[in-house]
Amino acid sequence: AQTVTQSQPEMSVQEAETVTLSCTYDTSESDYYLFWYKQPPSRQMILVIRQEAYKQQNATENRFSVNFQKAAKSFSLKISDSQLGDAAMYFCASGEGGSNYKLTFGKGTLLTVNP
Amino acid sequence: DTEVTQTPKHLVMGMTNKKSLKCEQHMGHRAMYWYKQKAKKPPELMFVYSYEKLSINESVPSRFSPECPNSSLLNLHLHALQPEDSALYLCASSQDLYRGVREQYFGPGTRLTVT
Repeated sequence: AQTVTQSQPEMSVQEAETVTLSCTYDTSESDYYLFWYKQPPSRQMILVIRQEAYKQQNATENRFSVNFQKAAKSFSLKISDSQLGDAAMYFCASGEGGSNYKLTFGKGTLLTVNP
Repeated sequence: DTEVTQTPKHLVMGMTNKKSLKCEQHMGHRAMYWYKQKAKKPPELMFVYSYEKLSINESVPSRFSPECPNSSLLNLHLHALQPEDSALYLCASSQDLYRGVREQYFGPGTRLTVT
């Protein structure tokens, strides 16, 4: 069974600064995927970034990048040049390959961006 | 077009009512999901459909009845719900349950209140 742990229930960052959200996971599979999802208050959950476990290169999407440490089972999200619109609940999620694929979510980190 | 739509946006129902939630996607995805989400918690998987067949039922009470009429539509029929069933119900879809990178795209959700 997979587990995903987000150890920071809440974080805050000043506008234009950089913040890193932590995530660790545990899986016995070699084929798996990792995701960060963003859910603004009362709004839709959207995919921020994804990482395939077999890829060594860290994924990047504009101001969002990950630090994927496979041996340590760590998958942190870095947000650069933080904007007010980045304020949201961020969920780290893991999905194993196989016939019963489903996502396991962490408990989430609530990010506040201060002007 | 990476869009999943859900209707209605809000629903208030009594414990003796029968209602349905609807979800639609036009991305050609063959896997569709229902999740339940309580405030400030991660989504909890309820059902997974793959190629219009029920693949996963996470031991959901029978007062929730899913239906997949075709590859684009997913319904959740509700009957004799309890107040603790009040939550945000999210629909999601992904390209395929068994192949490829299986990121899920979420709809905006239906906010359900059971009185």
